[in-house]
Parts: sequence; structure tokens; C-alpha cells
Amino acid sequence: NAGVTQTPKFQVLKTGQSMTLQCAQDMNHNSMYWYRQDPGMGLRLIYYSASEGTTDKGEVPNGYNVSRLNKREFSLRLESAAPSQTSVYFCASSEFYSNQPQHFGDGTRLSIL
Amino acid sequence: GESVGLHLPTLSVQEGDNSIINCAYSNSASDYFIWYKQESGKGPQFIIDIRSNMDKRQGQRVTVLLNKTVKHLSLQIAATQPGDSAVYFCAEIGGGFKTIFGAGTRLFVKA
Repeated sequence: NAGVTQTPKFQVLKTGQSMTLQCAQDMNHNSMYWYRQDPGMGLRLIYYSASEGTTDKGEVPNGYNVSRLNKREFSLRLESAAPSQTSVYFCASSEFYSNQPQHFGDGTRLSIL
Repeated sequence: GESVGLHLPTLSVQEGDNSIINCAYSNSASDYFIWYKQESGKGPQFIIDIRSNMDKRQGQRVTVLLNKTVKHLSLQIAATQPGDSAVYFCAEIGGGFKTIFGAGTRLFVKA
């Protein structure tokens, strides 16, 4: 039972480069989320998709774009990476966008030089 | 594995003792609360949840207490084991189903 799978696990980019972080869940969940986690801070929501076909901005969307490719997959794109985007990125899913826990992947550790 | 939360509050307990981890939440309108455990190099993992119409909920070796008067949440771990060493953080969900995550507390279990 894979749960939430994120790729890649590690990535180093140069300032200005672009990349896409991939996320897939196999739990038939309707809602998916992208967070970033920085030292000493709580998870901060970048974007979310409450259901297939919809995406909405979270707390820190600037510099990012997302695509809900289908019910299983939700990708996060950095168009022009900046050092401030160095972070650990987590994808999560939940059955519905409501009062219920989220299931997380193991993260992508991204460094931007 | 990579460390997250380099400047987190830390709780150090002896193996076998009980642990109490505290969390102050921000929104008095929040009506659902969750505790997560995050091991080094891993994603957060659900431990236990509680709704605002309850003040206590028990799971296997864990108990969550909710005090809405002072907006305080606690996680009690009974007979703490080395495998409990991790970062623990609370999350609150309020209006619009927005989730707010705390920064967390790092638990060290001494053998």
C-alpha cells in the first residue's frame, strides 16, 4: 500500500531553473495538497485541489503553479527557482476537503543555489 | 535522515516514562484537531484526532486532551519507547476547512 508517493526525493537546482515535483496517491482521495516545511515553522500550504478539476491558492502560492492531472496526480511546478524556495516539499491527500486527517508523502528535499 | 525543525522546543524523557506534549492553538472557532508524528526524513503521520465537542480521546498508548477555554491541546504518550522519538505537531481545522499546523515539539527518548 504505497499511499502518497512523491518524486524526486532530492533535487538541487540553480537559480532560474525550472522543475516539476510529482505526487500521486492510490487511496482514491478527492483532495490533494502541496506544503512547504521550513526549519522552526509549521507546514505552510502552497496550493490545494479540493476535488479533481479544481485548484486554489493556499498561504504561500507565489512562485509556484500546480496541475491536478487526474484524480491520482497533483504536480507542483517552480517556473524560475529562487534560493528562498529551498525547502522540503510535502504532498498530502484526504478523502474530502473537510474535517479529516491528511495523508502525507515523504517529501522532496529541494535546494536552490 | 534530514532534520526538520532545527529550532523546535525539545522534550527529553526516559524510556518507560509518560510524555506530555503541549500545543496552544490560535482560532477559537476551530472545531477539529489532529496530532501528527514526523520521524526524521519522513512525512507527517496521523496519530489521533479530536473534535471540539469532546475534551478527551484515547487511542493505543496515546491520549489527547482539549481545553477550549484556554485554547490548549495536549498529547500524552504512555510508557514512552525509543520508537516514539520524533517531532510531534498539532493541527487545527476551522472555518472553510483551513488547516493550521503548529511548528512542533521534538521528543527524545533516552534508553
